[in-house]
Amino acid sequence: SQKIEQNSEALNIQEGKTATLTCNYTNYSPAYLQWYRQDPGRGPVFLLLIRENEKEKRKERLKVTFDTTLKQSLFHITASQPADSATYLCALGGNAGNMLTFGGGTRLMVKP
Amino acid sequence: DAEITQSPRHKITETGRQVTLACHQTWNHNNMFWYRQDLGHGLRLIHYSYGVQDTNKGEVSDGYSVSRSNTEDLPLTLESAASSQTSVYFCASSDRTGEAYGYTFGSGTRLTVV
Repeated sequence: SQKIEQNSEALNIQEGKTATLTCNYTNYSPAYLQWYRQDPGRGPVFLLLIRENEKEKRKERLKVTFDTTLKQSLFHITASQPADSATYLCALGGNAGNMLTFGGGTRLMVKP
Repeated sequence: DAEITQSPRHKITETGRQVTLACHQTWNHNNMFWYRQDLGHGLRLIHYSYGVQDTNKGEVSDGYSVSRSNTEDLPLTLESAASSQTSVYFCASSDRTGEAYGYTFGSGTRLTVV
């Protein structure tokens, strides 16, 4: 069955460092992958999309890579700030209509 | 400004009762989705709709139903609430090219079944 894995343990880093979050998947051939941010008590907010034929995408301090051979996406936040503290979700799509399948999310804590 | 709203934000109900959660969007999006979010399971798809009069079952649809009579609304009904349906429910919408712009989520409804 399809499986999307994100580190369930929280990632704690120091302000100013680069945070790297991992999304691995199996039994899936997504046409694209999306990353979302979720704050406590709120719905997820879309951040970035990367397509299967793209290796890397950047948006301000965010960078996403997509390796379809390794079946992995890496999500980087450079020069991290305490305001970046949140849970980050990856989602895969494109195999069946417009539906997304989400990973469980990784909680990021940036300490000042 | 366009928005997607869910109501109520919090709901406590008794086992066996029928419950309806509302989702209303003013984005004029064709696609609408219902997910539930539980610790250890992430977001799981319950039902989805690609347009008026279209509804489809998702991964965890048992015990739930939806109807789409207009573009703006996709209410989620729990036919006979069970304790296993205690969860946070999120509604989302996207346009036809949702892959490029992602989903827009509501703020969620926390449902407790006692």
